[in-house]
Amino acid sequence: AQKITQTQPGMFVQEKEAVTLDCTYDTSDPSYGLFWYKQPSSGEMIFLIYQGSYDQQNATEGRYSLNFQKARKSANLVISASQLGDSAMYFCAMREGRSGGSYIPTFGRGTSLIVHP
Amino acid sequence: SQTIHQWPATLVQPVGSPLSLECTVEGTSNPNLYWYRQAAGRGLQLLFYSVGIGQISSEVPQNLSASRPQDRQFILSSKKLLLSDSGFYLCAWSEVGGSTYEQYFGPGTRLTVT
Repeated sequence: AQKITQTQPGMFVQEKEAVTLDCTYDTSDPSYGLFWYKQPSSGEMIFLIYQGSYDQQNATEGRYSLNFQKARKSANLVISASQLGDSAMYFCAMREGRSGGSYIPTFGRGTSLIVHP
Repeated sequence: SQTIHQWPATLVQPVGSPLSLECTVEGTSNPNLYWYRQAAGRGLQLLFYSVGIGQISSEVPQNLSASRPQDRQFILSSKKLLLSDSGFYLCAWSEVGGSTYEQYFGPGTRLTVT
């Protein structure tokens, strides 16, 4: 079974509007972390935001916020005031517990976001 | 601040030729290191990870190998490339002992096997 599911292969948004990228996860580990990464056309993966399973509040980093709904196992990324430079692939990822100290994350398949002017 | 370097940026190699991709990290000590491959339009596939010098774990059995000869150096190799080895290779590091373990990625190497 997939541990990270991103159901939106592609999303379109108008510049300056907000957009939500969906991510659901599956784990029985009480301690886990959730990440969002951005991959522009250049290819480099850029870390955006982190949410820990015990964090009481939703994580925010500038225009990025993570809508964490633990009971629904949902960790959606909200981008406010979209900019043309936000056009990229976005990947949701989760790490569970410990695996020899490596904390290996599992990545979703990604969502392509295109921001229209 | 920490930086991660990968080279070469692009590579075109014939089938059966050897491969060596190098990744180095600056500004941190004893990082966890990772090699990923990404096929066109697909997600990330973890190939190898390392928690210390000489300690390599393989996630996918194939004709690739990895080595970590120094604390902040991670090398991906192959003795004979296959067509299926084409893809975008990303190296990443994460900090040991932190609370979040987010990964930081290099610029990647685009490999085309012909």
